[in-house]
Amino acid sequence: SQKIEQNSEALNIQEGKTATLTCNYTNYSPAYLQWYRQDPGRGPVFLLLIRENEKEKRKERLKVTFDTTLKQSLFHITASQPADSATYLCALRGSQGNLIFGKGTKLSVKP
Amino acid sequence: DAGVTQSPTHLIKTRGQQVTLRCSPKSGHDTVSWYQQALGQGPQFIFQYYEEEERQRGNFPDRFSGHQFPNYSSELNVNALLLGDSALYLCASSRGQLNTNYGYTFGSGTRLTVV
Repeated sequence: SQKIEQNSEALNIQEGKTATLTCNYTNYSPAYLQWYRQDPGRGPVFLLLIRENEKEKRKERLKVTFDTTLKQSLFHITASQPADSATYLCALRGSQGNLIFGKGTKLSVKP
Repeated sequence: DAGVTQSPTHLIKTRGQQVTLRCSPKSGHDTVSWYQQALGQGPQFIFQYYEEEERQRGNFPDRFSGHQFPNYSSELNVNALLLGDSALYLCASSRGQLNTNYGYTFGSGTRLTVV
């Protein structure tokens, strides 16, 4: 079955550093992959979408890469701030068109 | 421009009861998907509605059913509630069933507790 894994449940970094989150998937070749931010008790908020023919996508301090050979996406936050602390979810588009989510990585940025 | 609106925000029900959750999609969106998110887990797809019909369904029992109205709003119904149904229920809206260009817009969810 299609599986998506975010290999870190939690990531703690110092303010100003770059946070790198990993998302791996198996048994599927998604047309695109998405990243969302989720704060406690709230719904996910869409951040970036990257297609299978794109290597990299940037938005302000965010950067996403997509390696279809490794079946992996990396999500980077540069110059991290305490306000970036949240859970980050990756999701791929399943064969039915629905989103399949990973469990998420909880990022804590310490001042 | 209002985003996705879900009601109620919190709900406590007893085992065996039935519950109805409501969702109004973002303006301009015509497709509604429902997700269940247990604590510490990612959202799990329940089903998707487009043009007032259930188009796709995840691995959820028939106790979970839904409806979409002509104004694109949607309801999620759960019958014979189990303790394991306790979760955050999320509604996501999008434009078009396939939505290959944009992310989904999620509501803040309904927190359902079954006791």
